[in-house]
Amino acid sequence: DAGVIQSPRHEVTEMGQEVTLRCKPISGHNSLFWYRQTMMRGLELLIYFNNNVPIDDSGMPEDRFSAKMPNASFSTLKIQPSEPRDSAVYFCASSLMSEQYFGPGTRLTVT
Amino acid sequence: QKEVEQNSGPLSVPEGAIASLNCTYSDRGSQSFFWYRQYSGKSPELIMFIYSNGDKEDGRFTAQLNKASQYVSLLIRDSQPSDSATYLCAVNLFGGGADGLTFGKGTHLIIQP
Repeated sequence: DAGVIQSPRHEVTEMGQEVTLRCKPISGHNSLFWYRQTMMRGLELLIYFNNNVPIDDSGMPEDRFSAKMPNASFSTLKIQPSEPRDSAVYFCASSLMSEQYFGPGTRLTVT
Repeated sequence: QKEVEQNSGPLSVPEGAIASLNCTYSDRGSQSFFWYRQYSGKSPELIMFIYSNGDKEDGRFTAQLNKASQYVSLLIRDSQPSDSATYLCAVNLFGGGADGLTFGKGTHLIIQP
């Protein structure tokens, strides 16, 4: 299996621009998670889906953040407008049972 | 507010010795406990998970859980330089992958050759 796939791997954008991060979970997994990692705050859960349905988005920091999962093999995390404090590594993870498997992450830099 | 606490380290251990990593959690209802390893610039990699009180062994790794004390640990036997990484403790309320994980900030482990 190819594992969780994320794109792009690196994104540099200017403040105010829209950013879209993409994730393809492991085939057959029914849960998908978006996390953000920074030095200050560590690894934080943003939102997760079960069977394509958003279950808990309480970790989404602001209305500027939104996530969708239109089908079992694709999810997006969008930031509009982006701000410098959004700079972080964004991870997508998927699971079938308890164990969550992480993608390689997208390193986002907002200047 | 769910919290997971780890000593940030660095924890320095000589090669061949036992490395002991510790974690405490605040939510007494937590059901599942995970240890991830993260190399610098890489994504977290699952090492072990444990649900029941006691010990669980997998190769050189042993996870220990004490729900009464809200404490979980990871022992690494015969430590190797390749074990040098940040180790993240994570918990969730439900088994079965139905819940997001709450992570500690990790312990930086250094294995000295």
